[in-house]
Parts: sequence; structure tokens; C-alpha cells
Amino acid sequence: AQTVTQSQPEMSVQEAETVTLSCTYDTSESDYYLFWYKQPPSRQMILVIRQEAYKQQNATENRFSVNFQKAAKSFSLKISDSQLGDAAMYFCAYKNRDDKIIFGKGTRLHILP
Amino acid sequence: GAGVSQSPRYKVAKRGQDVALRCDPISGHVSLFWYQQALGQGPEFLTYFQNEAQLDKSGLPSDRFFAERPEGSVSTLKIQRTQQEDSAVYLCASSFSSGRYTGELFFGEGSRLTVL
Repeated sequence: AQTVTQSQPEMSVQEAETVTLSCTYDTSESDYYLFWYKQPPSRQMILVIRQEAYKQQNATENRFSVNFQKAAKSFSLKISDSQLGDAAMYFCAYKNRDDKIIFGKGTRLHILP
Repeated sequence: GAGVSQSPRYKVAKRGQDVALRCDPISGHVSLFWYQQALGQGPEFLTYFQNEAQLDKSGLPSDRFFAERPEGSVSTLKIQRTQQEDSAVYLCASSFSSGRYTGELFFGEGSRLTVL
């Protein structure tokens, strides 16, 4: 069975600094997708960034980028120029061809002013 | 509607009561998912629909949990004879995805169930 592991329950970063959230996963599939979702205190989850496993190029969305290491089954999220609005729970998620998306336990990110 | 809508937002039930949680997905979205999120945890998969077909219900914790999507749009998650361990936020998500398409999941705000 596929699993997603986020080893950092909480992280803190100074405003305007850069922070990296870690995620590892386990799968025997070769074709799958990875996501980072953000859940602010209001609770509604929103997609931050996604990566197709067949693409070697790391995905980037403005201040958010990933470091996708397929062989190591690692998918970290880098947030540059951290802003107060980035404070939230961040969930790493995995999806294969059967459409089920599996989430990690999350990392709570604090932004220090 | 513009987003995924869930009702009720908050539900308090006495142990043993039945509850029904409703999800209105984004119009035209093929896939609909239910997740259970305990406090401080990640969402745990419960069940998945593609249109009206329930393709995966492997995450339903017991036979007290039942989900349906009879017309391929609105879905209801029913929990019979609620127990305290059922207390959680129940998240609904929909996606314009089918099979290999990497459809983004759009989440509702969730229904927080508290069982006393």
C-alpha cells in the first residue's frame, strides 16, 4: 500500500526567509502524481503545487517550488520569501491511477514576524 | 455553485444517534471523495465516487458508515449509531478527473461532527 510520510510536525520560519517542508512516500508504481495542499485555520484545503512523476523538471508556482527526487521517493516543498499568510497546515499527497489521493499527517508552519 | 458546499458545518450528536452529512460538489465534477480528518491529523480516505458509482469504499471504518451519490451529483455520508470515536471533521472533495487525468481536488469546508 502507498504511504506518505511527513516527518516534521511543526516548522517555524522568519518572515521573508525560505523554508523547506519534507515529504517521503512509498509506492511500487511508476506513474503517479504528487501534491502539496495548504489548510489554513479556516479549514478549507487548497492546492499549492503538483508534480507528475514522469516529469523530471521540478514544478514551480511563484514562491513555491518542489524538489522531486523520484529514486529517493522524496518530494519536498520550498517556500521562498515567506509571508504571514503562508501560516497553515501543509499536507503532502500522493495519487496513482486509481484516483485515490493519500495524505500525509501534515506539517504546521508558523511564520514569525 | 462556485465551490464545494457541505452541510451542516457543525453537528453535535448523542452517542447512538444517526447523522447524515451532505456534500454538493462543483457542477460537472465527475469524482467525489469523502475524507475523515481527526484533530491535528491528515485527511484519511473514506470513499470515492465516479459519477453515481462508488468505486472504492475501502476506507469506511465500519458498516455503520454508508455513502451514496444516487444521481452523480450530491452525495450523503450517513453514520449510524454514532460513537465517540466518530468525532472528526468530514471533508468532501470533488474533481473533474477520471482515471489518469491529474484533476485537482476542490475541498469543501467540512462538517465537524462531535459525538457526546
